[in-house]
Amino acid sequence: EAQVTQNPRYLITVTGKKLTVTCSQNMNHEYMSWYRQDPGLGLRQIYYSMNVEVTDKGDVPEGYKVSRKEKRNFPLILESPSPNQTSLYFCASRSFTEAFFGQGTRLTVV
Amino acid sequence: TQLLEQSPQFLSIQEGENLTVYCNSSSVFSSLQWYRQEPGEGPVLLVTVVTGGEVKKLKRLTFQFGDARKDSSLHITAAQPGDTGLYLCAVPFYGNNRLAFGKGNQVVVIP
Repeated sequence: EAQVTQNPRYLITVTGKKLTVTCSQNMNHEYMSWYRQDPGLGLRQIYYSMNVEVTDKGDVPEGYKVSRKEKRNFPLILESPSPNQTSLYFCASRSFTEAFFGQGTRLTVV
Repeated sequence: TQLLEQSPQFLSIQEGENLTVYCNSSSVFSSLQWYRQEPGEGPVLLVTVVTGGEVKKLKRLTFQFGDARKDSSLHITAAQPGDTGLYLCAVPFYGNNRLAFGKGNQVVVIP
């Protein structure tokens, strides 16, 4: 079954404590990306990757890092989370015709 | 600046009624997609339209791409509670390297 798996689904953390949200896909897609979804602002792209070792900034990259060492994995790293990064995060893997999304990670930074 | 404007933002209707939501832009696109997102889940692709004027049907959902490929509509006939969700339109840009989303049409169908 085609899947994008994110972990964790829910996370509450404190300001400044580094965290990583993992994302894995089983479709052998070259293209992967991270979005955050906020009320009234919609889905905004954070970072995207067009292939292994190729990453680029999206619309809201500040405060985030990514890496793409293998095709299937695309972790999102928050080195020093702040309360304004409280949001619902989605990882997506994309073929030429369709984007597949994970189930989301609801992050709260207190 | 938002690439895609979706309207209305929120729509609540009774089961059995019809509804239409819109996705508009001032730019021309090679294709446009509609996704549906249910609470607690990621968006799921419903349809892709590529030709100006194209109409696609998915059961009770009818999607139309504008003649000039700048806008699209989604019409739901005889809405059911299972149609409740956030409907998102999306377009490729930056040479198809990125996918941009509208803010969505939140549809609630009351039984």
